[in-house]
Amino acid sequence: GESVGLHLPTLSVQEGDNSIINCAYSNSASDYFIWYKQESGKGPQFIIDIRSNMDKRQGQRVTVLLNKTVKHLSLQIAATQPGDSAVYFCAENIGSTNAGKSTFGDGTTLTVKP
Amino acid sequence: SQTIHQWPATLVQPVGSPLSLECTVEGTSNPNLYWYRQAAGRGLQLLFYSVGIGQISSEVPQNLSASRPQDRQFILSSKKLLLSDSGFYLCAWSDTGPLNEKLFFGSGTQLSVL
Repeated sequence: GESVGLHLPTLSVQEGDNSIINCAYSNSASDYFIWYKQESGKGPQFIIDIRSNMDKRQGQRVTVLLNKTVKHLSLQIAATQPGDSAVYFCAENIGSTNAGKSTFGDGTTLTVKP
Repeated sequence: SQTIHQWPATLVQPVGSPLSLECTVEGTSNPNLYWYRQAAGRGLQLLFYSVGIGQISSEVPQNLSASRPQDRQFILSSKKLLLSDSGFYLCAWSDTGPLNEKLFFGSGTQLSVL
């Protein structure tokens, strides 16, 4: 069956450094991927998304890379700040008809050290 | 702008008691609505989703039920809570139509069944 997994459950970085959070997926039919950020005690918040017809997409301080060959995506955060400390989830979706029925990974906890 | 409200934020209930969690969305019409559950330190599991009033789809067999009495209201219920129902419950919405996979989450309800 499908699975979405994160390579590392925790990541600790120094303030100002770049962060890279990785995610593997197993279903080659997945065509839409989303990164969410969840702060303690809150609901996940959309960060950035990418469709399978793209390899890279950039936002404000964040970049998502998609490698369909090895079924891997990553979230890069530039100049990591203390406010970036949170749990980051990748999610995959298969087809627009699945409407929000994303499969979520277990999350990577990012800790930013001052 | 769209907003989603979910309450209560925390709830402690005895085993065997009923449950009712409510979620409302403002600023959009005919959204897709979802209930997710998140175990501690884990990803999100989809429980129910709804594409319209009175239309409920269950993703996993369980002790819970959902209802959508109005377009922008989604309710999660149980007649008799089990210990295993403890968790962090999240309501979410997404747009309908193509490219509607992005989820917008509420702030969550931390349910403890004792």
